Amino acid sequence: ETGVTQTPRHLVMGMTNKKSLKCEQHLGHNAMYWYKQSAKKPLELMFVYSLEERVENNSVPSRFSPECPNSSHLFLHLHTLQPEDSALYLCASSRAGLADLTGELFFGEGSRLTVL
Amino acid sequence: GQQVMQIPQYQHVQEGEDFTTYCNSSTTLSNIQWYKQRPGGHPVFLIQLVKSGEVKKQKRLTFQFGEAKKNSSLHITATQTTDVGTYFCAGGDNYGQNFVFGPGTRLSVLP
Repeated sequence: ETGVTQTPRHLVMGMTNKKSLKCEQHLGHNAMYWYKQSAKKPLELMFVYSLEERVENNSVPSRFSPECPNSSHLFLHLHTLQPEDSALYLCASSRAGLADLTGELFFGEGSRLTVL
Repeated sequence: GQQVMQIPQYQHVQEGEDFTTYCNSSTTLSNIQWYKQRPGGHPVFLIQLVKSGEVKKQKRLTFQFGEAKKNSSLHITATQTTDVGTYFCAGGDNYGQNFVFGPGTRLSVLP
């Protein structure tokens, strides 16, 4: 139990589907992150929210849409994905706020996404 | 942009042998963190180094931050099968905003 919970753990979707990944942290942290982990690339930072404000968007295609309704919850809305988007999507949180986003990261167990 | 490299990519050792992975950044880092990811698992934080030349130990693990704050190493003494996994370094720049993970070193330990 890491204090960061992700659902669903596994998701299979077609290219025309719309789905969402959910992340919830019970650690009282200020910052939440979405990372993508695929077989042939290092962990890629997708989005960062600090105090519910998006502070980073690393040139992620618009078919990925994040939402952070409060400091404990983070969503990643998916639509018209491509097969190359198949990967493990990891949510993380940290104590850090806007001034410093290099604090220890607490990762969830990930959502394994397969796009057919 | 900032790049973080790790070598080796893979390492196979016999149980009881030592293991070292090296991390190199293209830019000076404000801090470096190490994470371990077991097969099928998620990254778990191991340690953070902040000071130039800093050395920290956790039981059989020794972490080092270079004098120039551009490289780091993780050394495991007398590996055990429980050490199996991928070890990632991640570095933050001096502005505290960019935090980049290395590609990881995958360690296999043969019993």
